[in-house]
Amino acid sequence: SAVISQKPSRDICQRGTSLTIQCQVDSQVTMMFWYRQQPGQSLTLIATANQGSEATYESGFVIDKFPISRPNLTFSTLTVSNLSPEDSSIYLCSVGPEAGNTIYFGEGSWLTVV
Amino acid sequence: EDKVVQSPLSLVVHEGDTVTLNCSYEVTNFRSLLWYKQEKKAPTFLFMLTSSGIEKKSGRLSSILDKKELFSILNITATQTGDSAIYLCAAHSNSGYALNFGKGTSLLVTP
Repeated sequence: SAVISQKPSRDICQRGTSLTIQCQVDSQVTMMFWYRQQPGQSLTLIATANQGSEATYESGFVIDKFPISRPNLTFSTLTVSNLSPEDSSIYLCSVGPEAGNTIYFGEGSWLTVV
Repeated sequence: EDKVVQSPLSLVVHEGDTVTLNCSYEVTNFRSLLWYKQEKKAPTFLFMLTSSGIEKKSGRLSSILDKKELFSILNITATQTGDSAIYLCAAHSNSGYALNFGKGTSLLVTP
């Protein structure tokens, strides 16, 4: 399976600021995704990070709020902009499909906005 | 609209009990169903099911898919306190590679 590293693992940010989360994979992968998990909720897909082109956002998520970069097949970043307390969540990077179509997740980045 | 529904939402059992977690789905162009265990942050992959009636097993955990009735179950036998976690079910369609998650079942195993 792919090894996925996310940074930071945890951060506390002031409202109005931005946080950039990095996702590094130990092998080249075709598909990378960013999910959000709000407290007590399940995972919701934010966007698909496309290598060399603009990310594909799900309904309810916009590029101005969640800009994503994907400069190569092993790395992506998600920025959460103009933070508000409602952005307090776990943000998860995932990759797949790997062999057998399994999709794996990074360790997650726990954001608290104060 | 695609949806994945898990039941029960929460469950408390005693060590040694057997539990069955349910997942029903309605997904266009269904490809596979995946089960994950989430203890702290990252969901940990458990099973991927693509074919009906074929049980997948890993230790005390097993899972099976029914593509006719559009559901899957995850069984855990002889539960241990370390099984306490949120169990997530997710459906994967052929129209993309992202996953559609259910709300999860929160399992607490008491000593």
